[in-house]
Amino acid sequence: SAVISQKPSRDICQRGTSLTIQCQVDSQVTMMFWYRQQPGQSLTLIATANQGSEATYESGFVIDKFPISRPNLTFSTLTVSNMSPEDSSIYLCSVEDGSRGYTFGSGTRLTVV
Amino acid sequence: AQSVTQLDSQVPVFEEAPVELRCNYSSSVSVYLFWYVQYPNQGLQLLLKYLSGSTLVKGINGFEAEFNKSQTSFHLRKPSVHISDTAEYFCAVSERGYQKVTFGTGTKLQVIP
Repeated sequence: SAVISQKPSRDICQRGTSLTIQCQVDSQVTMMFWYRQQPGQSLTLIATANQGSEATYESGFVIDKFPISRPNLTFSTLTVSNMSPEDSSIYLCSVEDGSRGYTFGSGTRLTVV
Repeated sequence: AQSVTQLDSQVPVFEEAPVELRCNYSSSVSVYLFWYVQYPNQGLQLLLKYLSGSTLVKGINGFEAEFNKSQTSFHLRKPSVHISDTAEYFCAVSERGYQKVTFGTGTKLQVIP
């Protein structure tokens, strides 16, 4: 199965700033997914990123707040912009891993103060 | 639209006892079903998945799940749990097309020595 390297693993940020999270996959994948896991809650899909096209955002998420880049088939970034304490969450990237389902990165634990 | 219900938010169980974590789904079309495990401060790991075929699915770490279409359930079971099974378990569903995955709210399994 694919191996995903996600970084940073955690960060503490000041409100009003932005943080860019990176995901590197060890194989080429068509689709990458970004999720948010708020404290004590389940995972919510933010957007789906295909290489060479704009990301598709789920209801409640907008590009200005969560811009995504997908420059090639092994890499993607998610930026959390103009952060507020409500953005404190774990952010995870995921790839469709053929017949194995979905593989997840280890997550980025973000705390906004 | 698809949805997943995990009926128990927390399940305490003694070591070496059996456990069942319940999951029910709702969808108007055929689905794929998954169980993921999240250990503290880690990402998600796929335990098992049902795509088609046999309704009894065996996964890693001695876990298994049974797909019951009439009851729209996909309960996770293990005959004898270990301390190392203490984690949060997420049931997930994806409609055919295999793109968007919807997660349940998770069940925290606490194994008591």
